[in-house]
Amino acid sequence: DAKTTQPPSMDCAEGRAANLPCNHSTISGNEYVYWYRQIHSQGPQYIIHGLKNNETNEMASLIITEDRKSSTLILPHATLRDTAVYYCIVRVATRAGNNRKLIWGLGTSLAVNP
Amino acid sequence: KAGVTQTPRYLIKTRGQQVTLSCSPISGHRSVSWYQQTPGQGLQFLFEYFSETQRNKGNFPGRFSGRQFSNSRSEMNVSTLELGDSALYLCASSLNGQETQYFGPGTRLLVL
Repeated sequence: DAKTTQPPSMDCAEGRAANLPCNHSTISGNEYVYWYRQIHSQGPQYIIHGLKNNETNEMASLIITEDRKSSTLILPHATLRDTAVYYCIVRVATRAGNNRKLIWGLGTSLAVNP
Repeated sequence: KAGVTQTPRYLIKTRGQQVTLSCSPISGHRSVSWYQQTPGQGLQFLFEYFSETQRNKGNFPGRFSGRQFSNSRSEMNVSTLELGDSALYLCASSLNGQETQYFGPGTRLLVL
């Protein structure tokens, strides 16, 4: 599975949009982009995933560039409860037993400030 | 639907002891994966179980083992604990292994 690159930390004002970038320049055609977040000392929480089209759910939007080499997770109106470490990973979602190859980096530590 | 549950949530052990951690997946999920997370490290894959069989294993010593029961619940065991085993141990379940994984709250293990 491809490796991802994320900035180590970001700040965002409460109520504003938080845009978290992720670079995955070596992504393969059958790899999905997944986003999770981890609030201090808890298990990672699934946010959203996508292949090549932009996706939106109740938590966030995922924008994937046309060449699929990078993506942006958008939290439209960040709240203090969105303060967490955000992980971007890529994985082949059609092959069982692939979790061992996932590369979880250190993610982006997002601080939402009042 | 109830989420992934892990017990215990916190555990303190001493070097040389062994420990067993438990994970109950989301109802209907048959794949359970275990991860270790230490400060400054990303999640490190331990192993994955599916239909009571270990399907994949990460690069951890044989002191780390696991099993899965017929109801998909899983346990992992660490024998002869070392100080470096202090970590957050996470369990994640998915339907069959290739779909989205959902994580439990983790078990925080402290080895003294």
